[in-house]
Amino acid sequence: DAKTTQPNSMESNEEEPVHLPCNHSTISGTDYIHWYRQLPSQGPEYVIHGLTSNVNNRMASLAIAEDRKSSTLILHRATLRDAAVYYCILRDFFSGGTSYGKLTFGQGTILTVHP
Amino acid sequence: GAGVSQSPSNKVTEKGKDVELRCDPISGHTALYWYRQSLGQGLEFLIYFQGNSAPDKSGLPSDRFSAERTGGSVSTLTIQRTQQEDSAVYLCASSPGRFGLTDTQYFGPGTRLTVL
Repeated sequence: DAKTTQPNSMESNEEEPVHLPCNHSTISGTDYIHWYRQLPSQGPEYVIHGLTSNVNNRMASLAIAEDRKSSTLILHRATLRDAAVYYCILRDFFSGGTSYGKLTFGQGTILTVHP
Repeated sequence: GAGVSQSPSNKVTEKGKDVELRCDPISGHTALYWYRQSLGQGLEFLIYFQGNSAPDKSGLPSDRFSAERTGGSVSTLTIQRTQQEDSAVYLCASSPGRFGLTDTQYFGPGTRLTVL
């Protein structure tokens, strides 16, 4: 499986934008880039995913490099509630039959948001 | 609507005892996953059920671990003869399991298992 590399930790101030990078230099053509986050004492939750084009949803934006070897999760205005561990995960479109199968979590990036 | 629920939320047991952890997935989700997260560790895949297919057990750490899913819905993870290294948060997730869609996984709150 292609691997991802993320910084161990990042800090931000409340109401400022946050850019969380992820490197995936061995990504394959059928790998989708997914982001999940885990708030303290909770299970992970889906944030966003993309293949080639930049994506936006109510939670965040995902900027994908043209060569797809890196991506950036963008939180436009960080809040205290965004303090979490953010995981960048590659999922092969064709794996697992009718489902994408397991998620392979790395260590993620611990985001601290200061008031 | 209701999310993934897990019970119990906390379980303390003595070394050598068997434990059962329960997961109620989101109604209609055909895929169900178990993960565990040890203190200071990342999330580790354990087992995955998809419809009526044989489960993917590739993540189970030993034969003391087993899981079943009855009627395509509720799942039980059983750990026999628990060891202290089994102490962790056990997380269950479910997903629609429909090919071609995002197939987002929705996680439950987890069961914190402590083996004394």
